Amino acid sequence: QQPVQSPQAVILREGEDAVINCSSSKALYSVHWYRQKHGEAPVFLMILLKGGEQKGHEKISASFNEKKQQSSLYLTASQLSYSGTYFCGTDRPAGNMLTFGGGTRLMVKP
Amino acid sequence: NAGVTQTPKFRVLKTGQSMTLLCAQDMNHEYMYWYRQDPGMGLRLIHYSVGEGTTAKGEVPDGYNVSRLKKQNFLLGLESAAPSQTSVYFCASSWTRYEQYFGPGTRLTVT
Repeated sequence: QQPVQSPQAVILREGEDAVINCSSSKALYSVHWYRQKHGEAPVFLMILLKGGEQKGHEKISASFNEKKQQSSLYLTASQLSYSGTYFCGTDRPAGNMLTFGGGTRLMVKP
Repeated sequence: NAGVTQTPKFRVLKTGQSMTLLCAQDMNHEYMYWYRQDPGMGLRLIHYSVGEGTTAKGEVPDGYNVSRLKKQNFLLGLESAAPSQTSVYFCASSWTRYEQYFGPGTRLTVT
């Protein structure tokens, strides 16, 4: 079953912060985050494997609450280059495949 | 390294025609995947492979077939194209079940 992402879209000014959420109704082994710019392929940002773990990628970090089956992506001091659609992908313990959410469209304005 | 490449980049088919999309990777990855992405939507897995000679169904396998005869290549076939298969098709590869590297995509239109 597809994970649910929220919000569906967000508009920011440069320097503002944003949080994107991803939740699943099923037990998860890991959560992956990807960013896709318009007309391009998705690009890997990070993977979270354990409950409560946080990881960072420049000014982008994420957390994974295994018990709640939720992950959040934190974008701080946003830059114009952060614009794009962010997808979470969830991986179940017995699986070899990712199930992606519907995406969150992020637009950063000057 | 070219990474993941896809051939062709664009294709227009008529209903009922067949075609094969080619994905090639030069990173010696074991895992390869085919996804489709419809406008404004996320990626849906069609088929995947965990090694040469193996294939498995994903979320939306109906109407597609795949083959992985060589480790570096993963082919996606449409036997009888339908307008519902109009989409952007992405191939991806990875070492294990983790970080996936995506190709540039193939835009397919079925009329």
